[in-house]
Amino acid sequence: EAQVTQNPRYLITVTGKKLTVTCSQNMNHEYMSWYRQDPGLGLRQIYYSMNVEVTDKGDVPEGYKVSRKEKRNFPLILESPSPNQTSLYFCASSLQGSIYEQYFGPGTRLTVT
Amino acid sequence: RKEVEQDPGPFNVPEGATVAFNCTYSNSASQSFFWYRQDCRKEPKLLMSVYSSGNEDGRFTAQLNRASQYISLLIRDSKLSDSATYLCVVNKGTGGFKTIFGAGTRLFVKA
Repeated sequence: EAQVTQNPRYLITVTGKKLTVTCSQNMNHEYMSWYRQDPGLGLRQIYYSMNVEVTDKGDVPEGYKVSRKEKRNFPLILESPSPNQTSLYFCASSLQGSIYEQYFGPGTRLTVT
Repeated sequence: RKEVEQDPGPFNVPEGATVAFNCTYSNSASQSFFWYRQDCRKEPKLLMSVYSSGNEDGRFTAQLNRASQYISLLIRDSKLSDSATYLCVVNKGTGGFKTIFGAGTRLFVKA
């Protein structure tokens, strides 16, 4: 089954404790992206990757890191989480860039206390 | 001004009604336009792509007006199952890699 998976689905952590949210797709897509969703603000793009070893900032990259060492995986790293990073996070992939349909993972609900 | 703006909603309509959503975007270089549907904090899913010539898929019709930088979605004969949030999505200018989502318009269809 073609899908995008994220782990964990739910996470409660404390300020400053490094964490990684994993994202994996099995569709051989070149493009992957991370978004956060907050009430009233919609989804905002954090980082995206056009292919292996090629990443770039979206609109809200501060406080996040990403890497793309393999085509299927695109982890999101929070080196020192803060309460303002409490949000619902979605990973997405598409065949090639955002001009194509993006397939989303189920989301990760993160709470930073 | 937001890069992508949608009707704030919510829209409350009876079954069978026709409802229209509007969306405006600010970047004239944008190339690709979509409507996604999101159910209750679940992942967004593509509803339709939006083409310059307009496109229709069953009860759903999408229109694009590049001159006015305006996108619309029309839902005819609304069903209870159409209740969801509808997201207007625009790729940001040239390159086709950055994506801007509207804040979404919530639709409630009532029996």
